[in-house]
Amino acid sequence: DAGVTQSPTHLIKTRGQHVTLRCSPISGHKSVSWYQQVLGQGPQFIFQYYEKEERGRGNFPDRFSARQFPNYSSELNVNALLLGDSALYLCASSLKGMNTEAFFGQGTRLTVV
Amino acid sequence: KQEVTQIPAALSVPEGENLVLNCSFTDSAIYNLQWFRQDPGKGLTSLLLIQSSQREQTSGRLNASLDKSSGRSTLYIAASQPGDSATYLCAVRVDRGSTLGRLYFGRGTQLTVWP
Repeated sequence: DAGVTQSPTHLIKTRGQHVTLRCSPISGHKSVSWYQQVLGQGPQFIFQYYEKEERGRGNFPDRFSARQFPNYSSELNVNALLLGDSALYLCASSLKGMNTEAFFGQGTRLTVV
Repeated sequence: KQEVTQIPAALSVPEGENLVLNCSFTDSAIYNLQWFRQDPGKGLTSLLLIQSSQREQTSGRLNASLDKSSGRSTLYIAASQPGDSATYLCAVRVDRGSTLGRLYFGRGTQLTVWP
């Protein structure tokens, strides 16, 4: 069975541009969460979606947005990129929302120059 | 706000040693705790999940314990091998209001096992 898949794996963008990151959860999983991990830190929560509805939002500016599609895949959008947005963006899927195991993808490495 | 701390930040040991990695969290109202492994530049691999009602979980050479009331978890690695070299992250899933479903992570313990 395929695990959590993310695309692209690497991305280089210029300040001020917009970026869209994609995530496909494990088949049957209905919850998708996004995390940002800067070098040397633990991942920080950005969004959680369950059954296509936003169920949680972390302390990130409105430049960050996300959505979940009917097939439970998800997109993370970041507008007006800043140098500080350079990080590894991780997607996690789980069967349900709260008390089940989270499985992570390989991440998208975003570099803003 | 939930704070997760991992000690030590880094650990370097010879092959064959038994290891203990520590994780502490400030808010005991958790659904579960999960240990992950992360290789450089890669995603997270789930190692063990402990529900809040459980005391420990085992998988192969790994054993994780949870003391929810004191806000502590330990990951025990038996007979360490060079292939165990990675960063180990602890994360708790909280059980409160608007933060339902999110994971709070520590900064990790960077483990190096040398032959």
